[in-house]
Amino acid sequence: GDSVTQMEGPVTLSEEAFLTINCTYTATGYPSLFWYVQYPGEGLQLLLKATKADDKGSNKGFEATYRKETTSFHLEKGSVQVSDSAVYFCALKIRGSQGNLIFGKGTKLSVKP
Amino acid sequence: EAQVTQNPRYLITVTGKKLTVTCSQNMNHEYMSWYRQDPGLGLRQIYYSMNVEVTDKGDVPEGYKVSRKEKRNFPLILESPSPNQTSLYFCASSSEPSPGEQFFGPGTRLTVL
Repeated sequence: GDSVTQMEGPVTLSEEAFLTINCTYTATGYPSLFWYVQYPGEGLQLLLKATKADDKGSNKGFEATYRKETTSFHLEKGSVQVSDSAVYFCALKIRGSQGNLIFGKGTKLSVKP
Repeated sequence: EAQVTQNPRYLITVTGKKLTVTCSQNMNHEYMSWYRQDPGLGLRQIYYSMNVEVTDKGDVPEGYKVSRKEKRNFPLILESPSPNQTSLYFCASSSEPSPGEQFFGPGTRLTVL
């Protein structure tokens, strides 16, 4: 079935470090891909998305490129800030289907000053 | 302000005592959904609704009920709560009929003793 696999956390970085959170997927159809972020004590909010191969989603300095050949959608940021500390969820949705979002298990990021 | 609201935010109850968690959205969204979030398991969908009077089971519907009598409201009902339903619950909504981008409420932390 369809699934999303994220790297295990937690991830701890110093401020201004480079961030990569790996995400790979298995899909029976042609998915749209998403990254959601959950700040402490809050609900999830959409961070970025990509709907077709080679698309790059970007927002707030974060980027992720839809790589169909490697079935991946890794999240990157060049210089993290303390305020980026949160849990990050990769998710997919099969386009055109009645199915719902399928989430990865989440990766907790802690950024130290 | 466009938002999804949930009440209560925190609830401690005892086994077998019926409870309802309310969810309301002010964005005129057709699609609404309930998730539970547990450590190591990520988000799992409980129930969803494509429109008024249309509901369907998600991945973990056992022990839960929902109703969608009005477009804006989607309450989650636990008829006889058990300790394994202790979790963090999120309501979400979307304007898309089969959504990738969803707007999440702030969460309800439920403890069943």
